[in-house]
Amino acid sequence: GESVGLHLPTLSVQEGDNSIINCAYSNSASDYFIWYKQESGKGPQFIIDIRSNMDKRQGQRVTVLLNKTVKHLSLQIAATQPGDSAVYFCAENSGATNKLIFGTGTLLAVQP
Amino acid sequence: SAVISQKPSRDICQRGTSLTIQCQVDSQVTMMFWYRQQPGQSLTLIATANQGSEATYESGFVIDKFPISRPNLTFSTLTVSNMSPEDSSIYLCSVSQQGAGEKLFFGSGTQLSVL
Repeated sequence: GESVGLHLPTLSVQEGDNSIINCAYSNSASDYFIWYKQESGKGPQFIIDIRSNMDKRQGQRVTVLLNKTVKHLSLQIAATQPGDSAVYFCAENSGATNKLIFGTGTLLAVQP
Repeated sequence: SAVISQKPSRDICQRGTSLTIQCQVDSQVTMMFWYRQQPGQSLTLIATANQGSEATYESGFVIDKFPISRPNLTFSTLTVSNMSPEDSSIYLCSVSQQGAGEKLFFGSGTQLSVL
């Protein structure tokens, strides 16, 4: 069936380094992808999204890369800060059901 | 983006009781949804709250267990009925102006613990 999964459940980085969070998806028909950040005790917060007609999109300190050939999505965070510590979820719109399917999440731990 | 307020933020309940969670949005929104996030897990869609009609439930969720109301375009409630410890989760209200498969905005969630 459809699935969205993450390669690394926990990622530990040093403050100031760049972080890369990866996500694999299985449905080649998915046409919309989104990244959320969830801090402890809070709801998911939108970070950035991308449609399948693009392969890269940049925001403030964040970049999302989409590789449709290998069905891979990544979130890059530049100059990672302690405030970036959170669980990051990718989600895809598979198209068929027109609903967001969420991945399992990656915990990003930023070491001072 | 809409400001979404959920109440209560957390609760501890006894087995067999019911809890109603409220979701208030500061502007009219087209679509409202309820998600469940079990401990250490990802988000699972429970249902779409339809204004003026019965909610649309996802596979594995039924109205008798999770009755939902949406009396207008800014408010919805989710009731967790006849609770058991397996219902211990975070329950999240979310909204979208575009559709269920587009950008969603989430409330801060209700942390429910059932003893």
